[in-house]
Amino acid sequence: EAAVTQSPRNKVTVTGGNVTLSCRQTNSHNYMYWYRQDTGHGLRLIHYSYGAGNLQIGDVPDGYKATRTTQEDFFLLLELASPSQTSLYFCASRMAGPEVFFGKGTRLTVV
Amino acid sequence: GEQVEQRPPHLSVREGDSAVIICTYTDPNSYYFFWYKQEPGAGLQLLMKVFSSTEINEGQGFTVLLNKKDKQLSLNLTAAHPGDSAVYFCAVRGGNYAQGLTFGLGTRVSVFP
Repeated sequence: EAAVTQSPRNKVTVTGGNVTLSCRQTNSHNYMYWYRQDTGHGLRLIHYSYGAGNLQIGDVPDGYKATRTTQEDFFLLLELASPSQTSLYFCASRMAGPEVFFGKGTRLTVV
Repeated sequence: GEQVEQRPPHLSVREGDSAVIICTYTDPNSYYFFWYKQEPGAGLQLLMKVFSSTEINEGQGFTVLLNKKDKQLSLNLTAAHPGDSAVYFCAVRGGNYAQGLTFGLGTRVSVFP
């Protein structure tokens, strides 16, 4: 079973704060994704990557940056956090095949 | 791009009864379909994946049907039990290969005795 590890699992920050969410997969998957989950919106794609150094914009990228430093590591950066970014964030990865593997999520609260 | 409509948003089911969740998608080029289950405070658990044009897959206590002609995917919970209480999401892999999955908004299922 492929493993995707997110850290931290919970984070509280203040408005205007700087937050980095981390995701690591040790499956040598090419594709990695960051989603946010909000009631009434389901899961929405923020950014994704198909390899180290590659970044692609998803459907709701505003206010977020991402970096794929290695094949294994994908980071989501909120440089000026706002209350509207309070959400449950999921990282996911996949190889060339169809199946996507999800991490357990990071709950971010911006106060 | 792909859009996925999922209904109903909420479902209350008596224990032992069945229930159906339906997703309708827009991209006729979509070719991979998934159902995920999310229990309170937990991540996404893959329930079933469906790839063929018209396919019925059966798991433990549920049946999945894909109708590509009508662009519909359904999840039928048979003989619901309390452990089925969760939020269920359908997800579709559309024509944009790299972009991954497009999700429905989810259905919150509550099973009562």
